Amino acid sequence: GAVVSQHPSRVICKSGTSVKIECRSLDFQATTMFWYRQFPKQSLMLMATSNEGSKATYEQGVEKDKFLINHASLTLSTLTVTSAHPEDSSFYICSAREGRGNYGYTFGSGTRLTVV
Amino acid sequence: AQSVSQHNHHVILSEAASLELGCNYSYGGTVNLFWYVQYPGQHLQLLLKYFSGDPLVKGIKGFEAEFIKSKFSFNLRKPSVQWSDTAEYFCAVSTSGTYKYIFGTGTRLKVLA
Repeated sequence: GAVVSQHPSRVICKSGTSVKIECRSLDFQATTMFWYRQFPKQSLMLMATSNEGSKATYEQGVEKDKFLINHASLTLSTLTVTSAHPEDSSFYICSAREGRGNYGYTFGSGTRLTVV
Repeated sequence: AQSVSQHNHHVILSEAASLELGCNYSYGGTVNLFWYVQYPGQHLQLLLKYFSGDPLVKGIKGFEAEFIKSKFSFNLRKPSVQWSDTAEYFCAVSTSGTYKYIFGTGTRLKVLA
């Protein structure tokens, strides 16, 4: 079945630095990828929708200059957390949609970001 | 605004017990409904989905869910749980014409051997 690889699985960074998280679709072309954030004991909150070759669409309240999303190819989307702060510490998950169907997306394994 | 409610945050069952996890959504239009499972240390996996047709949907690993439109519900069921069903279960909804998911807060299921 479809596989989405997310890397790194865990990262610790210092305040003020930037961190890049990669999301790759391994055996399919992902026209659309989604980035979520999950706080402890809460649900996944959609941050942005990323379409290959175009600008990402951010959800209300998500700072586009802080969470930079690039979807340069049909198999790779990246999320860069810029000038990280401790409150950015969270679990970030990507998901990918194959083609134009809505058959249930494939999720990556998530990235645990800790900002110290 | 659209929302998804999962009222059971934690459920503890013994093996062979029957399971029903509630999921209610608030949206008056056409919806697509999903249940995902997240086993410890693993990523989200699709259990089952409903788009249209028979409101009783069968998924993997013996799970099923029933869409009751009048109740805005999509409850997940399994007649006899196993220890390996210990996981977190998320209900998700997407509305017709969009591909965004709205997730419920999840239900942590623990099955005692």
